[in-house]
Amino acid sequence: KAGVTQTPRYLIKTRGQQVTLSCSPISGHRSVSWYQQTPGQGLQFLFEYFSETQRNKGNFPGRFSGRQFSNSRSEMNVSTLELGDSALYLCASSFGGTGNNYGYTFGSGTRLTVV
Amino acid sequence: KQEVTQIPAALSVPEGENLVLNCSFTDSAIYNLQWFRQDPGKGLTSLLLIQSSQREQTSGRLNASLDKSSGRSTLYIAASQPGDSATYLCAVRHGGSQGNLIFGKGTKLSVKP
Repeated sequence: KAGVTQTPRYLIKTRGQQVTLSCSPISGHRSVSWYQQTPGQGLQFLFEYFSETQRNKGNFPGRFSGRQFSNSRSEMNVSTLELGDSALYLCASSFGGTGNNYGYTFGSGTRLTVV
Repeated sequence: KQEVTQIPAALSVPEGENLVLNCSFTDSAIYNLQWFRQDPGKGLTSLLLIQSSQREQTSGRLNASLDKSSGRSTLYIAASQPGDSATYLCAVRHGGSQGNLIFGKGTKLSVKP
């Protein structure tokens, strides 16, 4: 059974640019969540998508956005990149339905460096 | 506001020792709690998931307990090995079955041969 796939693994971008990250969840999982990990703040929740709809959102500026496709694959976009956006971005998949007792499975992450 | 704390931040032990990692949370209204392991520069590997109605879960040399009323969970690692060296993260699912995970900052474990 394939795990959660995130692409690309590494990215280097310049301040002011925009970037798109991709996440393919485990087959059958309908929920995809995104987290940002930095040494100072640890892991912080960005947003969650379920059945192509944003279900939860963390406290990040509007420059961070996402979407989910009908096959449950998700993309995250960051516009007008800032140096502080340098982080490991992790995607997690879950069944996601009501009464979901299952945990999350994480991908290997995308390491974004903004210069 | 739910906050998750992990103590200690770092731990170094000799191989073979049994050890306990601690996790505390401020709001007992959690849906479940999940322990993860993270190797340097890698993603998270799920170790154990405890539902709010459960007291403990076991997998191999790992045992996790949950005391919701006191806002505490512990991860017990028996007979530690150098391969156990990693950062261990505790996360609570807050806000019901559709809530998101709230993470602690982790405990960095080093097991010396």
